[in-house]
Formats: sequence, C-alpha cells, structure tokens
Amino acid sequence: DGGITQSPKYLFRKEGQNVTLSCEQNLNHDAMYWYRQDPGQGLRLIYYSQIVNDFQKGDIAEGYSVSREKKESFPLTVTSAQKNPTAFYLCASSIEVGVRAFFGQGTRLTVV
Amino acid sequence: SQQGEEDPQALSIQEGENATMNCSYKTSINNLQWYRQNSGRGLVHLILIRSNEREKHSGRLRVTLDTSKKSSSLLITASRAADTASYFCATDYNNAGNMLTFGGGTRLMVKP
Repeated sequence: DGGITQSPKYLFRKEGQNVTLSCEQNLNHDAMYWYRQDPGQGLRLIYYSQIVNDFQKGDIAEGYSVSREKKESFPLTVTSAQKNPTAFYLCASSIEVGVRAFFGQGTRLTVV
Repeated sequence: SQQGEEDPQALSIQEGENATMNCSYKTSINNLQWYRQNSGRGLVHLILIRSNEREKHSGRLRVTLDTSKKSSSLLITASRAADTASYFCATDYNNAGNMLTFGGGTRLMVKP
C-alpha cells in the first residue's frame, strides 16, 4: 500500500530538548517537503529536498534541521533553538519538485 | 514569504450553493495547484493547472488561471456538507525561489 507516513501522530517535548519527527514514503518520489501549520493558518515551508543528499531551506528554517540520506526518508529535527515549536507539522512528497504532492497525516508537536 | 493568498479567509454557504475561492500570487509560475484539508488531517490534492492553461474542470470543481493578473479561482458547484474543509492554493515557486509554497487558505463551511 503506497503512501507517505509520519510518526508519531502526537509528540510532547520538554523545553530545551531536541525532537525528531519521522517521514517515510514508498512512492519512489525524489522530492520531499516539511511544513509547519499553526492553528487556523496556512502552511509554511521549513525545508525541502529535490534529491537524496540534497536539501534547501524554506521560508522558516531557523531552529530546524533535516537530513536526506535515503530516498525514502526525510526526518525533521526541531531543535532547542526553535523558540515556539508547538504546531502541526506536515510532510509531503512529489515525483519532482513543484508538482502534485502527497501528504502525510501530520505530527502534532506540543511543548510542555 | 507567502506566495499564494486566498480570499475570502472564511466562507459559509448552504448546501446546493456554489462556492468560489480566489488565490493571488506574486511571481511567475509554471503551475498552480489547489488542495483540500479536513480539520487536523493532511492535505489532499484536488487539481493542477499549468501556466499555459486558462481553465480546468474535475467533477464539480472548476479552476481558472489568469497569469496576467497572477490570480486563480476555485469554483465548487452544487456544494455538499462533505465539502466543508479548508482549501489552499500552492504555486511551484515563490518570490524567494522556494518551491511548492502555500497560501493561508479559505475555510469553507457548507450548512446542510
């Protein structure tokens, strides 16, 4: 069953801790993306990757880091430098950058 | 920097009525896409329109694109309660050179 999977669905983090959100796809897509969504708002691009071992900063990359060591995986680390990390995080993939994207179901991160 | 900006931010209609949402963007694009998001879920792709197309249909959806005005509209005809969701436009580029960026969305409520 092809698709894009984010885990966990809910994540709680203590202030000052780093936390990593998982995103895996088995669609054989080259491009992957991470977005942040705040309540009632649109999606803001954090990082995107056009191909394995390559990624670019989006509009709000500060306080976040990513890696793309495998085509299938694009994990996002929310570091302690991100001052307001509580949000809904969405991962997406597409066969190439800028075309139809498939989204995961999201991870809701809460800082406690 | 947001690329697409949807208008209106919120729309409430009765079942059976048509719903029109608009999107404006800032830079030259190759394509524009519309997505739907049910509350707390990932986004689902609805339709992609290329820069050399002026209108596209998919079932009850009609999308127009005016590249001279840098705007697009999404029309949902004969709306149903199940159409209640947020709708987002996305462009393949934004003015920062970042790819697949979204607007703030239109929250549509269809009353039965």
